Amino acid sequence: QQQVKQSPQSLIVQKGGISIINCAYENTAFDYFPWYQQFPGKGPALLIAIRPDVSEKKEGRFTISFNKSAKQFSLHIMDSQPGDSATYFCAASYQGAQKLVFGQGTRLTINP
Amino acid sequence: DTAVSQTPKYLVTQMGNDKSIKCEQNLGHDTMYWYKQDSKKFLKIMFSYNNKELIINETVPNRFSPKSPDKAHLNLHINSLELGDSAVYFCASSQGGPQSEQYFGPGTRLTVT
Repeated sequence: QQQVKQSPQSLIVQKGGISIINCAYENTAFDYFPWYQQFPGKGPALLIAIRPDVSEKKEGRFTISFNKSAKQFSLHIMDSQPGDSATYFCAASYQGAQKLVFGQGTRLTINP
Repeated sequence: DTAVSQTPKYLVTQMGNDKSIKCEQNLGHDTMYWYKQDSKKFLKIMFSYNNKELIINETVPNRFSPKSPDKAHLNLHINSLELGDSAVYFCASSQGGPQSEQYFGPGTRLTVT
C-alpha cells in the first residue's frame, strides 16, 4: 500500500513532442505528490508538486494531471527539449508521514 | 554557495573496510536524510533525522550508522563494507519534513571491490 508504481521505465520522444510519465498509488491517505528530476551525475531536484485539491498544476512546459478517483497522476512535458533528458521520479506522502515514497523512475531521452 | 554538500564524491574501497561519508547543509533546515540509489536508479530512503534526532531507520543493516552532531550535519559511517553496498548515496535536507521540498546533495558513488 505504500508503493507508487511508475511507468514507463524508459521513454524516447522527439524534440517538440509531448512526454508523458504515469504514476499510480494505492494509499488513499497520500495527499502530496511531487515530481523530481535528476540529471546524470547530479542529485534529484524538485520539479513540480501537486496536492489532491486540484486536478491539474502547470509550471511552464511541465504539467501534473491528477485523477483522485483512479489514484493516478501523471507528468506532461510539452514541447520536449533535449535539455529535458533526465530521469524523472514521482513520489507521494501524507500528512504526518515520515518519508516520501518514490516511484521506480523513468529515464527520458529527447532526440534532437 | 552549495546548499547540500557531500564528501567524498567518489569512494573506492575493498570489502571489509570501514568508510564514512560526510554531509553538510547550509539551508538552515531541520530535517536531513540519507538515500541509497542502486544501479537501476531506484531511490530508497535509509535514515532521516529531525533536529539531530533519528526519525526513520528503514531496515538498514546495523553496519550503517548515521551520526548527526548538529542540525547542519548528517554523516554516514559504514562498517565491514560488502559488494552489495556499492551504490550512489545521497544526502538531502528539508524544512518541515517530507512534504516540504527536499534538497539533494551531489551524491557519493561508493564502489566496493
